[in-house]
Amino acid sequence: ETGVTQTPRHLVMGMTNKKSLKCEQHLGHNAMYWYKQSAKKPLELMFVYSLEERVENNSVPSRFSPECPNSSHLFLHLHTLQPEDSALYLCASSQTSGGSYEQYFGPGTRLTVT
Amino acid sequence: KNEVEQSPQNLTAQEGEFITINCSYSVGISALHWLQQHPGGGIVSLFMLSSGKKKHGRLIATINIQEKHSSLHITASHPRDSAVYICAVHNTDKLIFGTGTRLQVFP
Repeated sequence: ETGVTQTPRHLVMGMTNKKSLKCEQHLGHNAMYWYKQSAKKPLELMFVYSLEERVENNSVPSRFSPECPNSSHLFLHLHTLQPEDSALYLCASSQTSGGSYEQYFGPGTRLTVT
Repeated sequence: KNEVEQSPQNLTAQEGEFITINCSYSVGISALHWLQQHPGGGIVSLFMLSSGKKKHGRLIATINIQEKHSSLHITASHPRDSAVYICAVHNTDKLIFGTGTRLQVFP
């Protein structure tokens, strides 16, 4: 248990569906991250929120839309996805002050787009 | 070419064997992480180091900053060590990940 939870753990959706992934951290951290992990590829950073402001957006298609309503919650809204978007989506959090670099990961959401 | 390279990509071992996983990187870093990912997908941080060596139980991580290389060692390996081990380096404000090493330890 890392203090970062994600729901749902598994999601199957059609290409025309709209769904949202949720992440919650109970660590008092001030930064949250969305990563995508595809088979046989390194983790890809999608979005970074620091103090509830998006500070990084790594050329992610607009069918992925993040939302960070407060420092403990992070959402990833999904809309008209493609089969190649099937992957494990991992949320992480960290405390960016005090020189600490460690990120704490959630268990991930396994997304299958049909 | 990835900025973080791991070897081997896949590793099988018999219970009790000594295991080494290597990580080389080509960028400047402020810290290096070794992470463990179990089949369910969740990732756990094993070590964060910026110099020298750290030990936790049967796990040892070393880093050579001049050579831009780190190793993760597992002594007396056990089937429960079976997982994907991921090296990640902290470059400016982001983590850059290797593709991982899949370890299977058989009884």
